[in-house]
Amino acid sequence: GENVEQHPSTLSVQEGDSAVIKCTYSDSASNYFPWYKQELGKRPQLIIDIRSNVGEKKDQRIAVTLNKTAKHFSLHITETQPEDSAVYFCAASDNKSGTYKYIFGTGTRLKVLA
Amino acid sequence: EPEVTQTPSHQVTQMGQEVILRCVPISNHLYFYWYRQILGQKVEFLVSFYNNEISEKSEIFDDQFSVERPDGSNFTLKIRSTKLEDSAMYFCASSDGTAAEKLFFGSGTQLSVL
Repeated sequence: GENVEQHPSTLSVQEGDSAVIKCTYSDSASNYFPWYKQELGKRPQLIIDIRSNVGEKKDQRIAVTLNKTAKHFSLHITETQPEDSAVYFCAASDNKSGTYKYIFGTGTRLKVLA
Repeated sequence: EPEVTQTPSHQVTQMGQEVILRCVPISNHLYFYWYRQILGQKVEFLVSFYNNEISEKSEIFDDQFSVERPDGSNFTLKIRSTKLEDSAMYFCASSDGTAAEKLFFGSGTQLSVL
């Protein structure tokens, strides 16, 4: 089955710097890759996603890149702010069963230092 | 903005007891999911549900687990005889028919088995 690896497990950056989180996946059938932000004690919130037919997607300070050949995808946050501090999860998904089963990475705890 | 709601937010039970976790998905959504997150670990897929039947389930979702959509609004997860290792945060999620890949998560039920 699908396996998703995520690095780093923790990341500290200065406010205003960029942060990059990387994930790899194993199943070439995966075709949808969302990123979720989870603040302490709260629900995971979708922040950006990318489909397998696209190489890059950007939404203001957040961007995601996908390399299907290498089976890896990355989250880029520019001009980081203290409110970006949270745990970020990547996921890989397919719809072989007709529903989208997400396989999540182990998460990255991002700390933005003011 | 519509949200997935889950009750209770915390549930404490004795080992061997049955628990039912309740979820109200977003009203026009068609696809329903349960995930769990053991403290400090990744979010894990349990089961997906569509058209009143299970679409896919993980190895975790054994005979002790069941799901039900008893009416047009609720989606429940039952654990028949809880074990210590069932202690986790359980998240319900749903998605609609036009963007089935985008899962919206509830705020979770923290289950503690003593």
